[in-house]
Amino acid sequence: EDQVTQSPEALRLQEGESSSLNCSYTVSGLRGLFWYRQDPGKGPEFLFTLYSAGEEKEKERLKATLTKKESFLHITAPKPEDSATYLCAVPPTDSWGKLQFGAGTQVVVTP
Amino acid sequence: DTAVSQTPKYLVTQMGNDKSIKCEQNLGHDTMYWYKQDSKKFLKIMFSYNNKELIINETVPNRFSPKSPDKAHLNLHINSLELGDSAVYFCASSPGPFNSPLHFGNGTRLTVT
Repeated sequence: EDQVTQSPEALRLQEGESSSLNCSYTVSGLRGLFWYRQDPGKGPEFLFTLYSAGEEKEKERLKATLTKKESFLHITAPKPEDSATYLCAVPPTDSWGKLQFGAGTQVVVTP
Repeated sequence: DTAVSQTPKYLVTQMGNDKSIKCEQNLGHDTMYWYKQDSKKFLKIMFSYNNKELIINETVPNRFSPKSPDKAHLNLHINSLELGDSAVYFCASSPGPFNSPLHFGNGTRLTVT
């Protein structure tokens, strides 16, 4: 069965303290991995799509990388406004047109 | 200029009632979705429509019935509401059904008492 597992569940950082979030997946024949950010009371907001191992994408203080089994979201010198839940998602092996989401990593950045 | 808008934002109702949630997108996308986020924060797909045609229908009780009058609108009607239906329901859209990033609305928090 396809699985998407995110770790850690929660992460508390001091402002400026860089860290990484992990998303591991068991989908065979990956057809894309998506990262989203979700703020409380809001819908997920699209951040990145990665398609092949070795690919990297950057946006401000966020950088997403992809290997054959996992993806990392690196947060460099975070600010309080980076506090959110970060979700990763992949299309399941047996189906197009839908995404299987991980449970997310809740990040809190304190001043 | 909200891209994907849902109404209502909050819905509190009693068991056994019937309720509807409406969704509209102004992005010109062909594909729309309903996702459910439960108390453990997992997002799970319920339905997807592509150009008004149902393309994904997950294992969802038939009390849930989606309707897409046109490709910019997708509504969700729920009959005979149960306590377990309490969750946040998200509408989303994408340019097409294959590997496109989803654009989500801000959700409808349904509470069944």
